[in-house]
Amino acid sequence: GAGVSQTPSNKVTEKGKYVELRCDPISGHTALYWYRQSLGQGPEFLIYFQGTGAADDSGLPNDRFFAVRPEGSVSTLKIQRTERGDSAVYLCASSFTGSSQETQYFGPGTRLLVL
Amino acid sequence: GNSVTQMEGPVTLSEEAFLTINCTYTATGYPSLFWYVQYPGEGLQLLLKATKADDKGSNKGFEATYRKETTSFHLEKGSVQVSDSAVYFCALSDRGNTGKLIFGQGTTLQVKP
Repeated sequence: GAGVSQTPSNKVTEKGKYVELRCDPISGHTALYWYRQSLGQGPEFLIYFQGTGAADDSGLPNDRFFAVRPEGSVSTLKIQRTERGDSAVYLCASSFTGSSQETQYFGPGTRLLVL
Repeated sequence: GNSVTQMEGPVTLSEEAFLTINCTYTATGYPSLFWYVQYPGEGLQLLLKATKADDKGSNKGFEATYRKETTSFHLEKGSVQVSDSAVYFCALSDRGNTGKLIFGQGTTLQVKP
């Protein structure tokens, strides 16, 4: 079956621009996570969706970051007024129910470069 | 707060050598523990996991035992191969939270023929 997919795979933008990153989770997975991975670091949690609702957005760095999952499947991470410090790989993961014991399945990531 | 600390890399070994990558954690409650691996050019994938104390996770010749008394989850393999060259991440998921993973900084392993 299909895994988690993310588009685009690479995104180059200019400082101050708006970007959207898309995640398509594994079919039937109710839990969806966004992480951000800077060079040489482990992924850092951003936001968790259970179904359509954001159950935990404690990792979003500031109000320029926002994410939605309107139909409980595809999710979009939105970044307004991008800054050079936003440059990173943005990872999406999904799991069946969101239990702490479950395996999370990761997408290939979107590499964002803000010039 | 919850955190994971891994030994710093890179780790360079010859083929068939014994591997240990240390991982210790700080967590409230009783977390689940994971090792994820990122092969060159590929995405993160689960290598093994353990969900309670004294459990041993194993896969592809790798093992790790959940040690609550030492808050550790060290990764071991008896004989590494060139194909094991990758970045390895230790992670925890606290039962009290939403399944979100907290990762260590990663350890790069390079195996030479």
